[in-house]
Amino acid sequence: DAGITQSPRHKVTETGTPVTLRCHQTENHRYMYWYRQDPGHGLRLIHYSYGVKDTDKGEVSDGYSVSRSKTEDFLLTLESATSSQTSVYFCAISAGAQLGEQFFGPGTRLTVL
Amino acid sequence: GQQLNQSPQSMFIQEGEDVSMNCTSSSIFNTWLWYKQDPGEGPVLLIALYKAGELTSNGRLTAQFGITRKDSFLNISASIPSDVGIYFCAGVAGASGTYKYIFGTGTRLKVLA
Repeated sequence: DAGITQSPRHKVTETGTPVTLRCHQTENHRYMYWYRQDPGHGLRLIHYSYGVKDTDKGEVSDGYSVSRSKTEDFLLTLESATSSQTSVYFCAISAGAQLGEQFFGPGTRLTVL
Repeated sequence: GQQLNQSPQSMFIQEGEDVSMNCTSSSIFNTWLWYKQDPGEGPVLLIALYKAGELTSNGRLTAQFGITRKDSFLNISASIPSDVGIYFCAGVAGASGTYKYIFGTGTRLKVLA
């Protein structure tokens, strides 16, 4: 257990509304990630963070923004949700030997109507 | 985005049987990870592999990645009903702090009691 929680765990929203998902970790990990998981596409990286206020884009970052003002929290914002952003979102951290091991949170299931 | 190829895609086995699944890549990775994901949950790290050719075990699980560093296998011995789930491999590229994680397409395991 890497001490990762995500909130909310489930959310239904309407197209065009902003949505923020929260990832919280309790073990002071430096590297944090946001992924989405979709059938046929597997896990795809949206954004990641390598420290407070240090973030970078992943392969599917369009329509998403992130913020990290504290080590323990990494927020993912959908600025104007679209139906194509219906997915399961996972937060992850890097830890372990050489920080090569990645540990995932429980996920947030987001439905955009 | 790039995904690693896993085989088989799915498999039904009888309780007590041994299971083997593979992951192949066109790229070289210095670290390989194996995960299990249950429905509605995040992936859980089972085994991390750091040395090519070296067998690593975790209970009934055994894994290894090849000396070419382009493939890996996971074996489960004496399967039990709770082994049901989706198993993912991941290749880790880059250096500490700049890692990229490439995930497999998944093997869905179903165990018949």
